[in-house]
Amino acid sequence: EVQLVESGGGLVKPGGSLRLSCAASGFTFSSYSMNWVRQAPGKGLEWVSSISSSSSYIYYADSVKGRFTISRDNAKNSLYLQMNSLRAEDTAVYYCARDVVTRFDPWGQGTLVTVSS
Amino acid sequence: QSALTQPRSVSGSPGQSVTISCTGTSSDVGGYNYVSWYQQHPGKAPKLMIYDVSKRPSGVPDRFSGSKSGNTASLTISGLQAEDEADYYCCSYAGSYRVFGGGTKLTVL
Repeated sequence: EVQLVESGGGLVKPGGSLRLSCAASGFTFSSYSMNWVRQAPGKGLEWVSSISSSSSYIYYADSVKGRFTISRDNAKNSLYLQMNSLRAEDTAVYYCARDVVTRFDPWGQGTLVTVSS
Repeated sequence: QSALTQPRSVSGSPGQSVTISCTGTSSDVGGYNYVSWYQQHPGKAPKLMIYDVSKRPSGVPDRFSGSKSGNTASLTISGLQAEDEADYYCCSYAGSYRVFGGGTKLTVL
C-alpha cells in the first residue's frame, strides 16, 4: 500500500524555524517527484513546493520562496521541508503528496504548523 | 500564481447532477490538458477524483466526470449521493508550478 506520513509540525514563534518530514512507503520513492501542499485553517489548498526525483528540479510558490527549502533523501525514502522566518500566515496543515506526472496521488494525512507568539 | 476561480458552493438533491466550474488563464487551465480534481471531506486529506481533465483513477465511480473548454474546466457529478457532500478543488499544471482553485463546497440536500 502506498503511504505517506508527515511529521514535525507544532507550535513555533514568528521568525522561528521548523523542519517537516514525510516518510514514504509502498512505492519506489526515488522514481517520483514529490510536493508539499498546505491548507490554512478553514481555507483552500495552496501548492508550496515540488522536487524532482533526483532533486535536479526544485520549484517554490512565490509566498515561500527564499524562506522554505525542500529536499529529499532517496536512501531514506523521505521528503523534507525546512521552514525559516515563519510568519503567522504560514499557519496551516502541511501535506506531502506524490507527483504522478500531472496529479497529486496519494496525499499524506498532514501535519499542523501553528505560528503564534 | 493566482488561484483558479471556483464557485464557493453548489448544491443538489440525491440523484441529481451538479457541475463545478474552474476558471483559469491560458497560462494554466487553457494551456495544458493537465487539470485534476480533488475531493476533501472534513478533517481528511484530499483524494484524487479526476486527472488530465477527464480521466478517472481506478476506484472512483463513473458518476464523476471532467471536461474542459478554453480556460474553464468542469467537474460533473451525476446521480448525487449523500457521501458526495464534501469540498472539491481543481488544480492545474502551469509549467514550473501548480495552482489550485479556491474550493467549492458541495451540499447534498
